Amino acid sequence: GQQVQQSPASLVLQEGENAELQCNFSTSLNSMQWFYQRPGGSLVSLFYNPSGTKHSGRLTSTTVIKERRSSLHISSSQTTDSGTYLCALGGVPNTNKVVFGTGTRLQVLP
Amino acid sequence: GPKVLQIPSHQIIDMGQMVTLNCDPVSNHLYFYWYKQILGQQMEFLVNFYNGKVMEKSKLFKDQFSVERPDGSYFTLKIQPTALEDSAVYFCATRGAETLYFGSGTRLTVL
Repeated sequence: GQQVQQSPASLVLQEGENAELQCNFSTSLNSMQWFYQRPGGSLVSLFYNPSGTKHSGRLTSTTVIKERRSSLHISSSQTTDSGTYLCALGGVPNTNKVVFGTGTRLQVLP
Repeated sequence: GPKVLQIPSHQIIDMGQMVTLNCDPVSNHLYFYWYKQILGQQMEFLVNFYNGKVMEKSKLFKDQFSVERPDGSYFTLKIQPTALEDSAVYFCATRGAETLYFGSGTRLTVL
């Protein structure tokens, strides 16, 4: 089955520091999406990025299909970035199943 | 972005009762999903649904679970009968071409 591992499991930063979050997967993919899950539970889509690099403000997502990994870079972190970051993989052509990674819990201290 | 609405936001029921969770999807989306998340744990895939049919389901999608979307209305998850281990937050997600959009979840507590 599809396996999606995220690292680190948790991360504590001082405000202003950068973060690099990793998502590794064991199967081929046809979609990759990054989400931010607020402490209250709701999910916000950050990137749909099945390949290549995308930027949005302080966030950058890079997916390298051959290496079966995707990363999320957060620059100049802020306390409001605290929460859980999830990657979601849609793998195996001809299925629509989307599987989530294990998540990275980020805490940014003032 | 597009909004997916979930009703109710919280539901408390007694074990053995039936519960229906409702999802109002984005209007032109065709693919629908349910996920289960126990507090502090991983988001787990339950089922996806397209063109009136279940396409794929996980082992968590027990026989007591069913989904439907009658006449283009709400996409529903029904659990009958409920068990204590069904307590969790259930998230609905819908997708058009690419991006998955999530509702805010229904927190289900089975007593």
